[in-house]
Amino acid sequence: GNSVTQMEGPVTLSEEAFLTINCTYTATGYPSLFWYVQYPGEGLQLLLKATKADDKGSNKGFEATYRKETTSFHLEKGSVQVSDSAVYFCALFHTGGFKTIFGAGTRLFVKA
Amino acid sequence: GAGVSQSPRYKVAKRGQDVALRCDPISGHVSLFWYQQALGQGPEFLTYFQNEAQLDKSGLPSDRFFAERPEGSVSTLKIQRTQQEDSAVYLCASSLAGMGPGTEAFFGQGTRLTVV
Repeated sequence: GNSVTQMEGPVTLSEEAFLTINCTYTATGYPSLFWYVQYPGEGLQLLLKATKADDKGSNKGFEATYRKETTSFHLEKGSVQVSDSAVYFCALFHTGGFKTIFGAGTRLFVKA
Repeated sequence: GAGVSQSPRYKVAKRGQDVALRCDPISGHVSLFWYQQALGQGPEFLTYFQNEAQLDKSGLPSDRFFAERPEGSVSTLKIQRTQQEDSAVYLCASSLAGMGPGTEAFFGQGTRLTVV
């Protein structure tokens, strides 16, 4: 079945460091891929998305590229800020169904 | 309202008690979802409504779980005879249209249910 695997956290970085959070997926066909973020005390928010192979999603300095050959959608940011501290969820949606499938989440701590 | 609203935010139930969790989606949103999020895990799909029609309930873990959306807006998730394994955060999400590639769902803050 469809599934999402993302790197375990927590990830602890200093401010202005480079961030990568790995995400790989298993699915037939061409799912849509998402990164959601959950800030402390808030609900899940869509961070970025990509709907077809080689698409790059970007928002707030974060980027992720839909790589079908490696079934990956790694999240990157060149220079993290303390305000980026949150839990990040990789997710996929497969047309033909109604459910979004989430990874387990990766907690990011950014130190000043 | 400005976003998806869920109530109560926190609920403590004694084992065997029935509970009802409410979701107010964004006005005009056609699609509504319920997810269950265990501690340290990602959300797991429970059920999906398009307007008042429940099109997918494949994620409901047992017949103790029941969801409804009678007028196509507010939804209620009911859990009968709660068990300790039901302890989780229950998330509601809504989206403007029916589900399709890249459709964005907007999430509420969730209801944290603790069964003691």
